[in-house]
Amino acid sequence: DAMVIQNPRYQVTQFGKPVTLSCSQTLNHNVMYWYQQKSSQAPKLLFHYYDKDFNNEADTPDNFQSRRPNTSFCFLDIRSPGLGDAAMYLCATSRTQGDGSPLHFGNGTRLTVT
Amino acid sequence: GQNIDQPTEMTATEGAIVQINCTYQTSGFNGLFWYQQHAGEAPTFLSYNVLDGLEEKGRFSSFLSRSKGYSYLLLKELQMKDSASYLCAVMDSNYQLIWGAGTKLIIKP
Repeated sequence: DAMVIQNPRYQVTQFGKPVTLSCSQTLNHNVMYWYQQKSSQAPKLLFHYYDKDFNNEADTPDNFQSRRPNTSFCFLDIRSPGLGDAAMYLCATSRTQGDGSPLHFGNGTRLTVT
Repeated sequence: GQNIDQPTEMTATEGAIVQINCTYQTSGFNGLFWYQQHAGEAPTFLSYNVLDGLEEKGRFSSFLSRSKGYSYLLLKELQMKDSASYLCAVMDSNYQLIWGAGTKLIIKP
């Protein structure tokens, strides 16, 4: 089945220790997104790529970086995680933007910072 | 600023009908989505409305009134597995999704 896969499902890192979250898709969608979601809050968009075109949200901290080496893969790097970065990180894809293409989400990576 | 309002929590009885409302104020409008999110899991797509009216999909229906900046999600014949959060999201004029914080729906036997 075509899908969006995130690894790992749970990630524990130490305060200040860099961590990378990964996402892959078999849907061949053009757009990939990284969202941060904290408990009982709306998902917050960090980045999105339309093909190789990178879009950084204005309020995404510099501590967060992203890479999309090819259509199928996307990575989220947190350079120096703080306690406030503990959250669920959701990767999503869509075929395109603006025509009602829904987002397809991976199962998420729950990040704990100790 | 852009804003999506949904009730924080609702409770309903198994077998009943529940309506979850969403009001929005956004810079432009390019469609409204409803997603279901079970606790600890990712959101899954339920419906998309871009024109006024009711879209029916099995036990779930979604309604849109663009002039009122208003949508609702109607769930019929509620089942215990419908206990989840329901998120409303609007695509603005820049094709960015503006998300509500979600409505936590609790189903009681």
